[in-house]
Amino acid sequence: EPEVTQTPSHQVTQMGQEVILRCVPISNHLYFYWYRQILGQKVEFLVSFYNNEISEKSEIFDDQFSVERPDGSNFTLKIRSTKLEDSAMYFCARGSNSGANVLTFGAGSRLTVL
Amino acid sequence: QKEVEQDPGPLSVPEGAIVSLNCTYSNSAFQYFMWYRQYSRKGPELLMYTYSSGNKEDGRFTAQVDKSSKYISLFIRDSQPSDSATYLCGTIGGGADGLTFGKGTHLIIQP
Repeated sequence: EPEVTQTPSHQVTQMGQEVILRCVPISNHLYFYWYRQILGQKVEFLVSFYNNEISEKSEIFDDQFSVERPDGSNFTLKIRSTKLEDSAMYFCARGSNSGANVLTFGAGSRLTVL
Repeated sequence: QKEVEQDPGPLSVPEGAIVSLNCTYSNSAFQYFMWYRQYSRKGPELLMYTYSSGNKEDGRFTAQVDKSSKYISLFIRDSQPSDSATYLCGTIGGGADGLTFGKGTHLIIQP
């Protein structure tokens, strides 16, 4: 199946700025996910999105975060007011339509907050 | 509590050796067990997944799950330098729940 494409590959922003990370996971998939990996730490689940609604979110996914699928194809993660500790790799993933449990990840977007 | 424990390594072995990577998990509700491989500055790439207990083989890779002891293993036979990467074990319950990863084991295959 086609890969998951993420943009930008790297974004540098000032603390307090809004950031939007984008993912193109192919329009006929139903399950989408965002994960985060702080340097040297584990890949952490942020949020799952099913049928255009949030299905589950972790404790990390607080009010600063939001997800959207604005045009049926792109899948975005917005961080409203970035903090230094938001610096991480952010991975988008899509589930297989044969079962949500098999995930295909994008290459990630590296976010650096200064 | 969702938790997966994995020794981060690094684990360094000579080329051709059999590699054993292991994880333990705490939640008995987990049903699917995955192994992902992650190269530096890349996204995780699915290697294998199994449902419930048992073994699954794919080429040089064998995944093993023992639900009675909550133990997950990945064996790599005839290891190659190209196998050098971080290996993440992951577990998930049914439905659209988030996949819980271990910290990943950094594997180095010495030529």
